[in-house]
Amino acid sequence: GQQLNQSPQSMFIQEGEDVSMNCTSSSIFNTWLWYKQDPGEGPVLLIALYKAGELTSNGRLTAQFGITRKDSFLNISASIPSDVGIYFCAGHFQGAQKLVFGQGTRLTINP
Amino acid sequence: DAGVIQSPRHEVTEMGQEVTLRCKPISGHDYLFWYRQTMMRGLELLIYFNNNVPIDDSGMPEDRFSAKMPNASFSTLKIQPSEPRDSAVYFCASSFRDRNGYTFGSGTRLTVV
Repeated sequence: GQQLNQSPQSMFIQEGEDVSMNCTSSSIFNTWLWYKQDPGEGPVLLIALYKAGELTSNGRLTAQFGITRKDSFLNISASIPSDVGIYFCAGHFQGAQKLVFGQGTRLTINP
Repeated sequence: DAGVIQSPRHEVTEMGQEVTLRCKPISGHDYLFWYRQTMMRGLELLIYFNNNVPIDDSGMPEDRFSAKMPNASFSTLKIQPSEPRDSAVYFCASSFRDRNGYTFGSGTRLTVV
């Protein structure tokens, strides 16, 4: 079946370090989305990508839609304490209406 | 806009009781989704509606779960009878068209004892 794999599952970094996480899928995606979830809240959309090769930034966040349409990455530069949380990739498989979520990357920052 | 509003935020109930979760989507959004989040299974799509019509309920775990959307501004997810394994955080989300990012509510944390 169609699978979406997100890595790493967790990250422990020092404040100020850069962060990189990625997702790969077994099938072609039409969209890639990156969400962040804070404790006790729902996921919040960070970046949306709609075209292969697209590179989009949102402040210190940068995400790219892989050229093969089967992968995407999210980078966070100069991490700060409020970046702590769980980051999810998500997307629509080609021909599908449902949004599929990755397993999440839990980010912990040591001050 | 106040965003997607879910109630209650927390629900503790005894096994066998009926539980009803409520959701008010963002005005103008034509898609509504119900997700369940657990540590073991992550975010699972239970059911989604388009223009108040259920489109795909293949994620609903069993007949104990049902969802309705009587109008564009309200949806319910009902569990009857509830079981301890239903304990999870249930999220409602809405979107305008299905290709855009979804806006999630703050969730309902359900504990069945």
